[in-house]
Amino acid sequence: DIQMTQSPSSLSASVGDRVTITCRASQIISDYLNWYQQKPGKAPKLLIYAASSLQSGVPSRFSGSGSGTDFTLTINSLQPEDFATYYCQQSYSTPYTFGQGTKLEIK
Amino acid sequence: QVQLVQSGAEVKKPGASVKVSCKVSGHTLTELSMHWVRQAPGKGLEWMGGFDPEDGERIYALKFQGRVSMTEDTSTDTAYMELSSLRSEDTAVYYCATDPAGSGLFDFWGQGTLVTVSS
Repeated sequence: DIQMTQSPSSLSASVGDRVTITCRASQIISDYLNWYQQKPGKAPKLLIYAASSLQSGVPSRFSGSGSGTDFTLTINSLQPEDFATYYCQQSYSTPYTFGQGTKLEIK
Repeated sequence: QVQLVQSGAEVKKPGASVKVSCKVSGHTLTELSMHWVRQAPGKGLEWMGGFDPEDGERIYALKFQGRVSMTEDTSTDTAYMELSSLRSEDTAVYYCATDPAGSGLFDFWGQGTLVTVSS
């Protein structure tokens, strides 16, 4: 199975900050990497697919980059509604696997 | 726009089975590739399995093989996930989610169904 490792596990930031979350795959996955946002008690929401493509309806302050084994999710100018947990997920091969999550909290 | 509405919370005893439903609207089930993902309390996301449109088969994570069955009723556009031989570690929120074009990503999600396994 492909292991996905996110860092950091948690992060404190302020409204207006720029934050970056990283995700590393245990083997090369090309650009088969997706990012989700999850708020407490809610289902995950797809933000970025294929490493850098913005899902329809997602604000442009979210961006993704990377290829191979190392990926990043960047959120520019944090908004109050962005405080949530973020997960990366590889769609290169089954079993599809997720990172352990990064909890973004208000400083 | 696809909407997925799941059945309500369940409480089951160890060793029992649970069947969770996921009703599709906005599209027909035959147009979609349905998957199931679970999340234990306070934990991360775990893919359980789903439909692979390339070969028309369901694929299950090895961890669940032999205990899980994912089926569909196209007459009612409802997908089902049944998990048997439940144990306390199966306590989790179970989500159905759609995969566009068999790409392995999940663009629409149900609201989740909490399954509690307790004696």
